[in-house]
Amino acid sequence: GAGVSQSPRYKVAKRGQDVALRCDPISGHVSLFWYQQALGQGPEFLTYFQNEAQLDKSGLPSDRFFAERPEGSVSTLKIQRTQQEDSAVYLCASSSSGLAGKTQYFGPGTRLLVL
Amino acid sequence: DQQVKQNSPSLSVQEGRISILNCDYTNSMFDYFLWYKKYPAEGPTFLISISSIKDKNEDGRFTVFLNKSAKHLSLHIVPSQPGDSAVYFCAAFNTGTASKLTFGTGTRLQVTL
Repeated sequence: GAGVSQSPRYKVAKRGQDVALRCDPISGHVSLFWYQQALGQGPEFLTYFQNEAQLDKSGLPSDRFFAERPEGSVSTLKIQRTQQEDSAVYLCASSSSGLAGKTQYFGPGTRLLVL
Repeated sequence: DQQVKQNSPSLSVQEGRISILNCDYTNSMFDYFLWYKKYPAEGPTFLISISSIKDKNEDGRFTVFLNKSAKHLSLHIVPSQPGDSAVYFCAAFNTGTASKLTFGTGTRLQVTL
């Protein structure tokens, strides 16, 4: 089966513009995670869904960041009024269970550049 | 506050030799650790994991060692192959609270011929 897919793969935005990043998890995976990876850093946790419920959004850096997963499958990460510091790779991961220890499978990421 | 640290940004090893990648953590609540491998323009791929109840886990050419008292883990690759050239991330979490992973900053491994 297909892995985790993300779109777009690359996005250039002008400062102040809103962007929406999409994640298609592996079919049947109940858990979905978003991470932000700045240049030269490791991925940093943003938010976590179990089915359609957003159980943890402690990593979202500001109220300009919003994520949703309305039907428990596809998820969208929205960034409003983008700033230059939002430039990063945004990674989505899915897992077959919310139980600890279950492997998270990552998508290729969306590289966002804010000018 | 970096809770998971990989102090070596890069490592170069000859093909056939052992590669040793190191990782330190500060949060004593972490009880599960993973290594991910990442090629350019791809997402991280799970490699191997270890629970804090063990001190070693082996899978083929890859072995992870955990020293809880030192809050240190290492990944050994034997023998190293050119296809192992990638960035390796150490990650950790607490099984009792959340599934979210805390990552280190990565080590770029270059396996030379």
